[in-house]
Amino acid sequence: QVQLVESGGGVVQPGTSLKLSCAASGFILSGHAMHWVRQAPGKGLEWVAAISFDGSNKYYGESVKGRVTISRDNSKNMMYLQMSSPGVEDTAVYYCARDRESGDNSYDAFDVWGQGTLVTVSS
Amino acid sequence: DIKMTQSPSTLSASVGDRVTISCRASQHIGYWLAWYQQKPGKAPRLLISKASSLESGVPSRFSGSGSGTRFSLTISSLQPDDFATYYCQQYNSWTFGQGTKVEIK
Repeated sequence: QVQLVESGGGVVQPGTSLKLSCAASGFILSGHAMHWVRQAPGKGLEWVAAISFDGSNKYYGESVKGRVTISRDNSKNMMYLQMSSPGVEDTAVYYCARDRESGDNSYDAFDVWGQGTLVTVSS
Repeated sequence: DIKMTQSPSTLSASVGDRVTISCRASQHIGYWLAWYQQKPGKAPRLLISKASSLESGVPSRFSGSGSGTRFSLTISSLQPDDFATYYCQQYNSWTFGQGTKVEIK
């Protein structure tokens, strides 16, 4: 079945880089743009980053711009989020989500979500 | 950035009630709006896209309307499974509203 599974979360000290992974199965990853969305404890959803089907276009939310890098490897059915120098404000559950469109000419709603991976930034 | 504002933040209702959640965009977004349902400890679930297009498998008691800057999600007859938090999202640049928690009255 169509599925996304995140991994790589955990407890990290402020300033320690971290790389989250998202494994896709049950569909052709290269046909879809992909996103990262996060949710701080007790808070709402915040879009973090997007990447087009082939990785040629990348977009970032203002709160993370310059501090995270989104990437993908379609040959491995994987997407990634590299977090450099995270701060306590980056503590959240991080979800990967599938865009219904490819991101070539357009984007759409997020129709498939992973279960999330918790990142806790604490000294 | 496009800001999305939902109202109310919390809604208390009973089973069988008709409920409506509003979502306003800070600038015109056409009909590029989605609604999601989230239950505690779970990932969001897409209910409606393109402002009014119901996703496959979503009960017909859910409906969406609006365009431009004003949108709404309506549940025609609230069921026990519907108590959750609902988010609107514009997908020009992917901003979410702050959420509306639908709780038992």
